[in-house]
Amino acid sequence: KNQVEQSPQSLIILEGKNCTLQCNYTVSPFSNLRWYKQDTGRGPVSLTIMTFSENTKSNGRYTATLDADTKQSSLHITASQLSDSASYICVVSARGNEKLTFGTGTRLTIIP
Amino acid sequence: GAGVSQSPSNKVTEKGKDVELRCDPISGHTALYWYRQSLGQGLEFLIYFQGNSAPDKSGLPSDRFSAERTGGSVSTLTIQRTQQEDSAVYLCASSLEAGFGGAFFGQGTRLTVV
Repeated sequence: KNQVEQSPQSLIILEGKNCTLQCNYTVSPFSNLRWYKQDTGRGPVSLTIMTFSENTKSNGRYTATLDADTKQSSLHITASQLSDSASYICVVSARGNEKLTFGTGTRLTIIP
Repeated sequence: GAGVSQSPSNKVTEKGKDVELRCDPISGHTALYWYRQSLGQGLEFLIYFQGNSAPDKSGLPSDRFSAERTGGSVSTLTIQRTQQEDSAVYLCASSLEAGFGGAFFGQGTRLTVV
């Protein structure tokens, strides 16, 4: 069964600090992995998308890594800002299948 | 439009009633997806359209759920005889073509069945 697990479930950090969110998946055959940011009451917004051949991708202060061998991904946020407070969702798609498998997300809270 | 638009943003309905949710994708996006997000749960795939056809309906939870898309644009998700377990946020997403699982999401419709 295709699954995506994220950790931690929730995280609180001080503004300005860095943090790393984890995603482990068992989706096969793997096509791509993306990280979404979802603000409360809003739809998810894509941060990064990585295919099998990519092992790192950056989008501003967000850097995602992918290890397709161990089926792990991380999202690193640098110099956090209050506006980074949101849920971060890891989503994996299987090749040839439009169904995505979503993690339940990490709830990140940035405090001043 | 500039983004994916969904309406209504909130809907409260009585158990047993039918509801219709609407999604306007980004202009020119041929692929359209419906997802459901229940409280405390991850996003659940429901159905996707390529143009007006739905190659994959296997995510629809029961035969009370149906969806259609006309003109390669607007899509409606209909839930008949709503049940309390249907309460969730229903999200629509679109992308230029299939293979991206819906890169751009709407704000969602929060459905509450009482």
